[in-house]
This record gives sequence, structure tokens and C-alpha cells, in this order.
Amino acid sequence: QSVLTQPPSVSGAPGQRVTISCTGSGSNIGAGFDVHWYQQFPGTAPKLLIYDNIYRPPGVPGRFSGSKSGTSASLAITGLQAEDEADYYCQSFDNRLNEGVFGTGTKVTVL
Amino acid sequence: EVQLVESGGGLAQPGGSLRLSCETSGFPFETYAMSWVRQAPGKGLEWLSGISGNGGYISYAASVKGRCTISRDTAKNTLHLEINDLRAEDTAVYFCTKDRLAANVKVVVYYFDYWGRGTLVTVSS
Repeated sequence: QSVLTQPPSVSGAPGQRVTISCTGSGSNIGAGFDVHWYQQFPGTAPKLLIYDNIYRPPGVPGRFSGSKSGTSASLAITGLQAEDEADYYCQSFDNRLNEGVFGTGTKVTVL
Repeated sequence: EVQLVESGGGLAQPGGSLRLSCETSGFPFETYAMSWVRQAPGKGLEWLSGISGNGGYISYAASVKGRCTISRDTAKNTLHLEINDLRAEDTAVYFCTKDRLAANVKVVVYYFDYWGRGTLVTVSS
């Protein structure tokens, strides 16, 4: 089972701000390993959305932002748009398991 | 342009074996770590295995350790994953990923900047 916990779903109206939490432990996020975020639409491969906790790859809209504190991280979408409806996953590394680890995933619904 | 193209998926018998391949292009293959990630139908992402750029460091998820072997062929710019003793719970789309990590270190996972489209493995009798 995933060692990073996310809420199963979040929703918001267009234009609103939504946040997705990613809770880990002292052997992954709390050990200083960076958190990265991916966006996945049905039937397609995930796409890198945020890396190193806060940075956006070229082409990712500025309404997506990330943060990290202690053993948790968050992804925020400010000014939610219909095309943001997708699944979102956090990812890090766990040095106790010596494994890459993903979050449980969060489905974002635009109302 | 970076491209990752998986192949080798399909229908397999329980207890059988499969060898997945990932042909890559558009980047210096021997420089970057690579990983396999899978996604069971309707489920989340699961990291399976990673290998450093020079192949000297390898790591496996506990869920597949002992049943999977990751390897890379630098001459053919190709990544492989062999899965043995297939089980119904191995049914999933298997993604090949390029890691941003360019150092040959024990921690073979950083983050995945490119993904292939995936290859579907179905384990059923």
C-alpha cells in the first residue's frame, strides 16, 4: 500500500482554489526527500506537474503551485478550470524502504 | 524530442513470465536513471523498479522483489523488465519512465520527467 496519503477526492467550482495534501513520514518527506506531483487524465500517462516541491516544468500553467513542510506537502490549484479535472499523484523517495513512493492519488472534480 | 515506447505486454498465464521493453530516443540513455511504474485497472500508481544510468545500482519494490529483473541495453537504448511467476494482481498498465537523476548513486529514484504511453499486461487463464 502507498506510504504517502492523499484525500481520495477534492472538488471546486471554476475559479475557486483547491488544495491536495500529501502526508508522509520521517523516512520519506520528513527525511528531506523532495516531493513531486503528476497529473493524469483517463487513459493517458501521467505528466510531471511540479518537481522539487515548488517548481513548474515549462508549459505548466502558473495556477498550479506546490509547497512542503515537515512530513507533508501540498498542491494548490488557484483559479480552477474545467480542464484541470484529472487525477493527481504526489511522489517521493523512502529511505527505509529504499523505494520510490507515490501518493494514493486524488481525483479533482470541477463542479 | 524524448520518446519512450513500451512493448511486450499482452495476455499471460498465471505462473508465466513476460519481458517488457522500452525503446528510448532523444536523450543520452546511459546518463539517466530509468524506472518502471505500473497502474492496475482503476487504481493508483505503483513504482516497481529503478536502475541507475550505468546500471550499477538497482532497486525493487518489496511487492515484486525476487520476481522482477530490470536491465538496460545501452547499445540499443532500451530498458527491460522481466516479470516471473505472474499473478492476477500483476494485471496493470506498465509505464517506462525517464528519471531526472543523472548521477550513479544508490538512490535511483528522483522524479520522472518523461513517461511512455504504457503497455497493458493481463494475467489470466
